Amino acid sequence: QKEVEQNSGPLSVPEGAIASLNCTYSDRGSQSFFWYRQYSGKSPELIMFIYSNGDKEDGRFTAQLNKASQYVSLLIRDSQPSDSATYLCAVNMDDYKLSFGAGTTVTVRA
Amino acid sequence: GAVVSQHPSRVICKSGTSVKIECRSLDFQATTMFWYRQFPKQSLMLMATSNEGSKATYEQGVEKDKFLINHASLTLSTLTVTSAHPEDSSFYICSAEGLAGSGELFFGEGSRLTVL
Repeated sequence: QKEVEQNSGPLSVPEGAIASLNCTYSDRGSQSFFWYRQYSGKSPELIMFIYSNGDKEDGRFTAQLNKASQYVSLLIRDSQPSDSATYLCAVNMDDYKLSFGAGTTVTVRA
Repeated sequence: GAVVSQHPSRVICKSGTSVKIECRSLDFQATTMFWYRQFPKQSLMLMATSNEGSKATYEQGVEKDKFLINHASLTLSTLTVTSAHPEDSSFYICSAEGLAGSGELFFGEGSRLTVL
């Protein structure tokens, strides 16, 4: 069983819509959760991190964490063409190393 | 945020040669750096954890004699791919923790290695 799972996509949304990305993880002891954005051919860049259950908002991005369900999501509001990228979910396991999901590719249609 | 610089960004080499990739933290000291490899349309796979002043910790299945890691200072870690073969062609990315133990990573720009 993979440690971090994401739908690979592609997820296609029209400009201005909400893109919803999901991630599940296997280690119930995981403490911190990250969303990274990766453009094609580039290295990942951190968008958000979340430690506590509930929602965390930063601009157009909202991360949601439910530790009981071992589920973390990312919402992108008012999607823009520049949001087209692969979004990687990463989970900090007990031994502090990050485990990455395979990524969800998002395409925002103008 | 913290800046991590990686060099070279692209390298092409012949099979059997060795290639060195450098990873530098430019505005902070990084006691721990991580090296990842990413194949097309796949996620980042952790290869090894590089600790300043001590031996690197390799993930299962990663040959430590083939992927030599040196972390001689708090701002520099190097990955040397020895006797490279075409199957080693990949995107190699380093990262460093912004705050020790936080899990928040800052990534280098990545190095695309092509072995002919």
